[in-house]
Amino acid sequence: NAGVTQTPKFRVLKTGQSMTLLCAQDMNHEYMYWYRQDPGMGLRLIHYSVGEGTTAKGEVPDGYNVSRLKKQNFLLGLESAAPSQTSVYFCASSSALDTEAFFGQGTRLTVV
Amino acid sequence: GENVEQHPSTLSVQEGDSAVIKCTYSDSASNYFPWYKQELGKRPQLIIDIRSNVGEKKDQRIAVTLNKTAKHFSLHITETQPEDSAVYFCAASISNSGYSTLTFGKGTMLLVSP
Repeated sequence: NAGVTQTPKFRVLKTGQSMTLLCAQDMNHEYMYWYRQDPGMGLRLIHYSVGEGTTAKGEVPDGYNVSRLKKQNFLLGLESAAPSQTSVYFCASSSALDTEAFFGQGTRLTVV
Repeated sequence: GENVEQHPSTLSVQEGDSAVIKCTYSDSASNYFPWYKQELGKRPQLIIDIRSNVGEKKDQRIAVTLNKTAKHFSLHITETQPEDSAVYFCAASISNSGYSTLTFGKGTMLLVSP
């Protein structure tokens, strides 16, 4: 059982480049989330989805876009990467409200 | 929006001692309070959670207490072991219009020395 899988695990971008992070879950979860983790800042919610075809903004959405075309996938896009987006990105999913969130292994992104 | 404060930011204990991490939250409507453990280079994993209709919950060496009136909750780890060394995050969930999102504290790095 793979759980939540993120692709890629590491990436280096130049300022202004674009990229897409893929999150895939095989647990048939309705809810999916993208967080960023920075030293001393905890986990901050970027965007989330409450079901296929839905997306909503979290705490720090600026500079990111998301799509949930299929229930099992949640994509995070950076249209024009900035050094401030250097971070570790975690995807998570949960089956219902107020239940355990299962995290992916993380993507370490560096923007130079 | 919800604000979650977590203290201390670092905590060093000797093996066998107890460790306590405290969190406060701002929104009285919060109703779900999970704790996650993140080992170095790994993903966060749930270790225990508590809901607003419960004051305390235990699972072997870990326990969580919730004081809704004061809007704070705490994680207690007894008989600490070196493998308890990790970063611990508290979180508070708000249900809003049928949706639920977690706001995390900034984390506590726990170091258990043998």
